[in-house]
Amino acid sequence: GEDVEQSLFLSVREGDSSVINCTYTDSSSTYLYWYKQEPGAGLQLLTYIFSNMDMKQDQRLTVLLNKKDKHLSLRIADTQTGDSAIYFCAETGIGGKLIFGQGTELSVKP
Amino acid sequence: GAVVSQHPSWVICKSGTSVKIECRSLDFQATTMFWYRQFPKQSLMLMATSNEGSKATYEQGVEKDKFLINHASLTLSTLTVTSAHPEDSSFYICSALSDSRSGNTIYFGEGSWLTVV
Repeated sequence: GEDVEQSLFLSVREGDSSVINCTYTDSSSTYLYWYKQEPGAGLQLLTYIFSNMDMKQDQRLTVLLNKKDKHLSLRIADTQTGDSAIYFCAETGIGGKLIFGQGTELSVKP
Repeated sequence: GAVVSQHPSWVICKSGTSVKIECRSLDFQATTMFWYRQFPKQSLMLMATSNEGSKATYEQGVEKDKFLINHASLTLSTLTVTSAHPEDSSFYICSALSDSRSGNTIYFGEGSWLTVV
């Protein structure tokens, strides 16, 4: 079945890089997404990558996709305290619905 | 960019009453919208897929008579929680599928906090 897994917590110091990892199971997913959720708020689409790409860079964000290993990562360069949030990866399932990971809580310490 | 608006953001209702949550795509048409539920500190769980002009497709374990979904237009889907109980208190989020030349992108609403007292 469809399943997406992430580590639950990540703690970094301000200015360091953060790398959030995700594994998924559905090799037919056409798009893979990263969402950010701040406390009490909805989801904010950060970035997405098409399955025929292996890397996508968008300012401080770099997404790496290893399709063979079904591994997705999100790197945040120069992490700031404002980046503290929960980050969800998601794969596209049948009919366009998204299958989410459990979310990784990123804590940025000054 | 595309925006999805959800209303209300916060709602408190009495046990036994019904409450409606609206999800609107503001600058694109969405034939498909999705409704999710999120319990505290947990991931989002898909409740149902809402298709314009047809019945919603519910995920296993979701009561369709309790969570009524109506997708009457290409820009609006509504979720009605009927005969609400305290255990229905949760964060409900909708999303809308946008078809574009660059492919399909899914945009989320801001979410609605429902508290049933």
